[in-house]
Amino acid sequence: DQQVKQNSPSLSVQEGRISILNCDYTNSMFDYFLWYKKYPAEGPTFLISISSIKDKNEDGRFTVFLNKSAKHLSLHIVPSQPGDSAVYFCAASRGGSNYKLTFGKGTLLTVNP
Amino acid sequence: DSGVTQTPKHLITATGQRVTLRCSPRSGDLSVYWYQQSLDQGLQFLIQYYNGEERAKGNILERFSAQQFPDLHSELNLSSLELGDSALYFCASSVGLTGGVYGYTFGSGTRLTVV
Repeated sequence: DQQVKQNSPSLSVQEGRISILNCDYTNSMFDYFLWYKKYPAEGPTFLISISSIKDKNEDGRFTVFLNKSAKHLSLHIVPSQPGDSAVYFCAASRGGSNYKLTFGKGTLLTVNP
Repeated sequence: DSGVTQTPKHLITATGQRVTLRCSPRSGDLSVYWYQQSLDQGLQFLIQYYNGEERAKGNILERFSAQQFPDLHSELNLSSLELGDSALYFCASSVGLTGGVYGYTFGSGTRLTVV
């Protein structure tokens, strides 16, 4: 039972254009959503998060949008840079204690110069 | 450097053997989480410890066990290893019981290859 789904295993975009990575979830109890970035031979690193009380959170070139009714979130990277090439994991958690992060399978983003 | 240290970085062992993976959390973090990433799989949660006590269990096999010591470092023990156990094993840490808004801090992982 995969509660967090990233249906696109890979995405390729041109440098300077927008990258849009998508994530769907099934558990309506999730109230925090996070994006992690992972380079080869490194562990995932936190990128940006959003609480379920918001529908948008922005941090520089990165914006996360949350559509609770559709149980869908997306990460927008504008403009995309070659250094953004990495695997992006979507994750979700519930509030309170003892609730761990549930991750999607990841999307490999390639930004071509 | 994330502050979470995992050793060893690579491990090659034979089927049926037992290995121990070690994790030192970021300074000040009390929670340690273990995740497994197999080929084409996302990060699968295995187990969580908080201040020495087990707090949550995920899809962890009975052949696997973990503990967190008084100095807060954690070890993941994998026994009777099978080829399918080959994977990247990540340790992560957080200050409290949950990751909250900022999630967890991950180590760089241990790549286990079972031959």
